[in-house]
Amino acid sequence: AQSVAQPEDQVNVAEGNPLTVKCTYSVSGNPYLFWYVQYPNRGLQFLLKYITGDNLVKGSYGFEAEFNKSQTSFHLKKPSALVSDSALYFCAVRPKGNTGFQKLVFGTGTRLLVSP
Amino acid sequence: DTGVSQNPRHKITKRGQNVTFRCDPISEHNRLYWYRQTLGQGPEFLTYFQNEAQLEKSRLLSDRFSAERPKGSFSTLEIQRTEQGDSAMYLCASSSGPRQNTEAFFGQGTRLTVV
Repeated sequence: AQSVAQPEDQVNVAEGNPLTVKCTYSVSGNPYLFWYVQYPNRGLQFLLKYITGDNLVKGSYGFEAEFNKSQTSFHLKKPSALVSDSALYFCAVRPKGNTGFQKLVFGTGTRLLVSP
Repeated sequence: DTGVSQNPRHKITKRGQNVTFRCDPISEHNRLYWYRQTLGQGPEFLTYFQNEAQLEKSRLLSDRFSAERPKGSFSTLEIQRTEQGDSAMYLCASSSGPRQNTEAFFGQGTRLTVV
């Protein structure tokens, strides 16, 4: 069965500092990996995805993520955090291969708090 | 607005009543998904449509739940004989096919409270 782990319920970082939000996954075969962000009273917003190729993926709002196959990880990073980045972040996986298999499996989310 | 639209945004119902939610996906997106999100958890997959065909259903989708997408455009999710455990945020998403690697775009959700 596919699963995603986000080991930190909350990450605190000061504005201007780099941030990392961790994600590890378990899936048979190779995955497609996604990061979404959820602001209060808002739907999930797509940030970035890994399909294939370069392990470092760049996305919206200055975020990037690094795919590490050996560690089965897909950590979200940003070089310099903004207070406005404070939100709930979800990592999700979709296994490749079976084109009829379309669902995303989400982690439990990590709350990012960026202090001024 | 060209995003995914969900109605209503909030619904309070008494236990045992039926409720229906509507989702209007992004135009020309052939794939539509329903997820459920409870407090402190990530979204959990409920069901998936490709055009009007319902191709995947989660075991979470008990026989009290039914979803339709009659013309391959909007979709409805109905819950019959609601229970307090049905209280959650119901999220709809859509994506374009046929590739498996396309991202899904989510609506703002319908928050259901069963009292």
